[in-house]
Amino acid sequence: QKEVEQNSGPLSVPEGAIASLNCTYSDRGSQSFFWYRQYSGKSPELIMSIYSNGDKEDGRFTAQLNKASQYVSLLIRDSQPSDSATYLCAVNRLNTDKLIFGTGTRLQVFP
Amino acid sequence: DTEVTQTPKHLVMGMTNKKSLKCEQHMGHRAMYWYKQKAKKPPELMFVYSYEKLSINESVPSRFSPECPNSSLLNLHLHALQPEDSALYLCASSRGGSQETQYFGPGTRLLVL
Repeated sequence: QKEVEQNSGPLSVPEGAIASLNCTYSDRGSQSFFWYRQYSGKSPELIMSIYSNGDKEDGRFTAQLNKASQYVSLLIRDSQPSDSATYLCAVNRLNTDKLIFGTGTRLQVFP
Repeated sequence: DTEVTQTPKHLVMGMTNKKSLKCEQHMGHRAMYWYKQKAKKPPELMFVYSYEKLSINESVPSRFSPECPNSSLLNLHLHALQPEDSALYLCASSRGGSQETQYFGPGTRLLVL
């Protein structure tokens, strides 16, 4: 079992729809969870971080964390073609500086 | 300011060359990282420096040699690379600790001929 798992996609949604990206992790001791967006040929850019169970909202983005189910998700409301990118879920290994990445989900938003 | 800078943006080198990648941050971060990323794959951790000391080496071949001259700078020295080492090399920094966000630089696109 991989430490951090994501569906590779592509996930295709129409403009204006809600895109839902999911991630599961195996280490129950994990405490910090991050979503990065990466455009083709560019470096990862932080979208959201979340540390506590529940929802965290920032503009059109909402991160959801359920530690009991070892599940973290990212919702993008009113999706735009400019949101088309690969979204990387990352989890910090407990008590280390090490970030474990999922394989990423490619999101395509079509007009 | 969450800027991490990297130079050069692109690098082409032969298998017998020696080159260096540079990374700089002025955010007062105490942890700095080197990652390697191949196409359509996630970033793969290579090295972590914490307080200017090497704290993690992910069994990286010795043809990659990291150096942290001071708290703001991180270098990656390259020697006798193979074509399969061609990739995007990413530097990141953070305040350190498992709850802190890592901020990535723009990367160096390396091609080994």
